Amino acid sequence: EAQVTQNPRYLITVTGKKLTVTCSQNMNHEYMSWYRQDPGLGLRQIYYSMNVEVTDKGDVPEGYKVSRKEKRNFPLILESPSPNQTSLYFCASSPLGKNQETQYFGPGTRLLVL
Amino acid sequence: DAKTTQPPSMDCAEGRAANLPCNHSTISGNEYVYWYRQIHSQGPQYIIHGLKNNETNEMASLIITEDRKSSTLILPHATLRDTAVYYCIVRVNSGGYQKVTFGTGTKLQVIP
Repeated sequence: EAQVTQNPRYLITVTGKKLTVTCSQNMNHEYMSWYRQDPGLGLRQIYYSMNVEVTDKGDVPEGYKVSRKEKRNFPLILESPSPNQTSLYFCASSPLGKNQETQYFGPGTRLLVL
Repeated sequence: DAKTTQPPSMDCAEGRAANLPCNHSTISGNEYVYWYRQIHSQGPQYIIHGLKNNETNEMASLIITEDRKSSTLILPHATLRDTAVYYCIVRVNSGGYQKVTFGTGTKLQVIP
């Protein structure tokens, strides 16, 4: 089944404790992206990647890192989480090219930073 | 990507057509209009997209004005399961994917 998976789905952590949220897709998509969603602010893009070793900042990259060493994986790294990073996070992937239609979204990761 | 403007919320009676508007007055000639929806806190789901012609699929119809500055998503016979937040975005669709800006969307409530 074609899908985007995220782990963990729920995470409670404390300020300053490094964490990684994994994202994996099995559709051989070139493009992958991370979003955060907060009440009243909609979906905001954190980082995106056009292909392996190619990443770029979205609208809200501060406090986050990403890497794209393999095509299927795009982990989101919070080196020193803070309470304002408490949010619902979504990973998405998409093929590139003239006829690509849509981003496929993962189920979300709900993060609470105390 | 061009910014979009949508009403924050709308109601629609079950079985009636839901017409969701979106303004994108700064859209460029090579930017497509995309619609997604998000049910509860699930990942957004693609609905439909178009460039300048009207489009229809099994889920919805997309009407784009001739000047391309606005569009309307039509759910022909809304059901309770269509209650969701609907996002309109515009972006280039030619391999240069770039940043994507979703905005806050329209919360559609389908009423029995």
